[in-house]
Amino acid sequence: DIQMTQSPSSLSASVGDRVIITCRASQSVSSHLSWYQQRPGKAPKLLVFAAATLQSGVPSRFSGSGSGTDFTLTITSLQPEDFATYFCQQSYSTPPTFGQGTKVDIK
Amino acid sequence: EVQLAESGGGLVKPGGSLRLSCVGSGFTFSNAWMSWVRQAPGKGLEWVGRIKSLVDGGTIDYAAPVKGRFTISRDDSKNTFYLQMNSLKTEDTAVFFCATGWRKFDYWGQGTLVAVSP
Repeated sequence: DIQMTQSPSSLSASVGDRVIITCRASQSVSSHLSWYQQRPGKAPKLLVFAAATLQSGVPSRFSGSGSGTDFTLTITSLQPEDFATYFCQQSYSTPPTFGQGTKVDIK
Repeated sequence: EVQLAESGGGLVKPGGSLRLSCVGSGFTFSNAWMSWVRQAPGKGLEWVGRIKSLVDGGTIDYAAPVKGRFTISRDDSKNTFYLQMNSLKTEDTAVFFCATGWRKFDYWGQGTLVAVSP
């Protein structure tokens, strides 16, 4: 199985901050990488797929980049509703696997 | 609007069984490839299994920890997707989500809690 490792595991930020979350795969996943947002007690929500394609309806302050083994999710100008946990997920091979999550909370 | 609604969760003893259901609306269910993903309390996400549409062959895949114990099926006449869980273990305790998709998971239900405890 491909292992996905996110960093940091948690971070504290303020409204308006720029936040960068990284995800590293144990082997190349090409661009088969998605990002999800999960607010407490809620279902995950797809933000980005194919490493850099924004899901319809997702604000443009979210962006994804990377290929191969190293990926980033960037949130420019953090908003109050962005305080949540973010997961990366590879879909290059079966089984699909997720990172352990990065919790973004209020500084 | 795409909506998914899971049901069937509950408290069960180790070795017991449960069947989860996921009803979909707002999209052509019979064309959809569907997945189950679970989340143990306070933990991350774990893919459980998936099924293609019947028109695409109805292929089913399972994660190793559940293979041989869990069975995925679908009834397109009811817009419903199922997860039959047998021989449940305490480590199966989790919120189970259904989601559309095979490789990425576009839309998710709200989840149903399965608690396996003596």
